[in-house]
Formats: sequence, structure tokens, C-alpha cells
Amino acid sequence: AQKITQTQPGMFVQEKEAVTLDCTYDTSDPSYGLFWYKQPSSGEMIFLIYQGSYDQQNATEGRYSLNFQKARKSANLVISASQLGDSAMYFCAMREYSSASKIIFGSGTRLSIRP
Amino acid sequence: DAMVIQNPRYQVTQFGKPVTLSCSQTLNHNVMYWYQQKSSQAPKLLFHYYDKDFNNEADTPDNFQSRRPNTSFCFLDIRSPGLGDAAMYLCATSRVAGAATRNIQYFGAGTRLSVL
Repeated sequence: AQKITQTQPGMFVQEKEAVTLDCTYDTSDPSYGLFWYKQPSSGEMIFLIYQGSYDQQNATEGRYSLNFQKARKSANLVISASQLGDSAMYFCAMREYSSASKIIFGSGTRLSIRP
Repeated sequence: DAMVIQNPRYQVTQFGKPVTLSCSQTLNHNVMYWYQQKSSQAPKLLFHYYDKDFNNEADTPDNFQSRRPNTSFCFLDIRSPGLGDAAMYLCATSRVAGAATRNIQYFGAGTRLSVL
């Protein structure tokens, strides 16, 4: 059974600081993909970044990077130079090779950026 | 430009009165999903269409139905809404080709359903 764990229900960070959102996962499938989504208060889920289990390098997308530690089964999201607009709910998600069309979400972390 | 469009953004219905939520996409993706999301929780998959094949989650109540008349549109029908069905309903699409895991789901802005 697959499982995604986000242990930080909420975080407060000062504007312009970097922030790390934790995500650990559990799967027996050797092939899988990991995703991070941002959900502002408006409700839309916005795709941020993807990491494949066989990718050799950590994924980066602008201010977002994914700290992928395969042996530890962790896929933490790092946001550099946080901005007020980064305040939102963040979800980690995973898709396994065996269920290619479905993903499972973690419980989310609510990030609040202080000015 | 919005690629996954959900209408309406807000829907108010009465207890027991059928309601339909709609989703359309301009991405030509072959898979469309419906999720239910309650406050401060993760989205919960209700069902998805893989092309024309309907895939229901085991714990989705019979009260929830879906239709996909063509590639671009998908509807969520709630036959007899109860107070517990008040939630955000999210539609998503994805291009799935075989078992490749990089099948990013793109979401609409959601429909917030209230049941009176």
C-alpha cells in the first residue's frame, strides 16, 4: 500500500527566508513519481514540481526545488526567498507505476509567510 | 488562459435536490478526475474516466455519478445531496500514456458546493 506523510500541519516563515516542507512516502513499487501542489485560499490546485524515482538529479523549477532522498523515502519541497504569495496549502503526492492514472495526496502543510 | 474550467464556481442547492457540476478542458487529455475536498483535508478521489472507461473508487457513495459525453467535458451528478456533501469539488485532467509515472494532473479552480 502506498502512503504519503506530511508531518507539519502548519508553518510560519518570515518573508524572504527559505522554507522546507517535509514529505515522506512509502511504496514497494520501484517506479514512482512524486509531485508537489500548491493550493491558495481560492481553491485551485497548482502543480509545482515533479520528481521521478529514477531521476538522477533533484528537480528544480524556479524558486522551487525538491530534495529527493530515495534511501530515506523523503521528497521535501524547498522554497527559496519566500514571498507573501507563497502563503497557501501545500500537498505532496505520489503515483506508482502500477497505478499510473491515479495519485495519492498527503494531508498537506499550511504555509504562512510573515511580512 | 484557463485549461480546466469548472462551472459554476459556487453552487448552492437544497437538501435532496439533484445538482450537476461541470468540467471542461482544452488540453485534450484522455483522463478526467473528480475529487471531493473538505476543509483543510486532502482531495479525495471519487472516480475518473480513462478515455471512455469509468473507474469508480470503492468508497464513493452511490449518490455520486459521473458522465463524460466527449473528451472535453465531464459532469458530476449528485442525486440527493446531503449536508455531508458540502465541499469543494475539484476536476482534474491528465494525459496518461501507458504506465509512465510523469502524468501530471492539472486542476480546475473548483466548485464550492453548499447544501441548505
